[in-house]
Amino acid sequence: ETGVTQTPRHLVMGMTNKKSLKCEQHLGHNAMYWYKQSAKKPLELMFVYNFKEQTENNSVPSRFSPECPNSSHLFLHLHTLQPEDSALYLCASSQLGREGADTQYFGPGTRLTVL
Amino acid sequence: QKEVEQNSGPLSVPEGAIASLNCTYSDRGSQSFFWYRQYSGKSPELIMSIYSNGDKEDGRFTAQLNKASQYVSLLIRDSQPSDSATYLCAGDSGGGADGLTFGKGTHLIIQP
Repeated sequence: ETGVTQTPRHLVMGMTNKKSLKCEQHLGHNAMYWYKQSAKKPLELMFVYNFKEQTENNSVPSRFSPECPNSSHLFLHLHTLQPEDSALYLCASSQLGREGADTQYFGPGTRLTVL
Repeated sequence: QKEVEQNSGPLSVPEGAIASLNCTYSDRGSQSFFWYRQYSGKSPELIMSIYSNGDKEDGRFTAQLNKASQYVSLLIRDSQPSDSATYLCAGDSGGGADGLTFGKGTHLIIQP
């Protein structure tokens, strides 16, 4: 266990559904991240939250909407997704400002299937 | 565009031998580099981090960084079947707060 939890672990949704992915870190970190991992492709950074402020949005379609209510929780709200959005969605956290600050610890991921 | 390149493999190594995994990166501003291990169906698990040129050893693992050549490697000594996994190389953007850029990963198979 890395101290980063994600729910649900598996999610199947239709293209018209709205769902949310949840991530919680118990490490006292101040930065959180969403990554997407598709088959045959490298992990793709989606969003970065640094001290609850979104600092990066890697040209992610608006059907993905992140929310970071505090430094321990991160959500990814999903609506009107496409089948090509099916992937493993990974949350990570890190502590910025110390040596080794960039080390990111990943949650177990949510396996999303869009029908 | 920042890129991290890895040979996707599979790389097949006999049990007990040294496995050598390589990675190159394009962003000269990158300062920190990481090796993650990912088993099938699981999330990435940190193996090593390296920030300075040279070698860094941790148990059976040695990470090597050459910033002039923009090259990172991971050596696994006395390879075990449990080391069979995909190894992901990642680099930062120099500022620490922008997330990591990952390679596609090298699939390593340790043959008993």
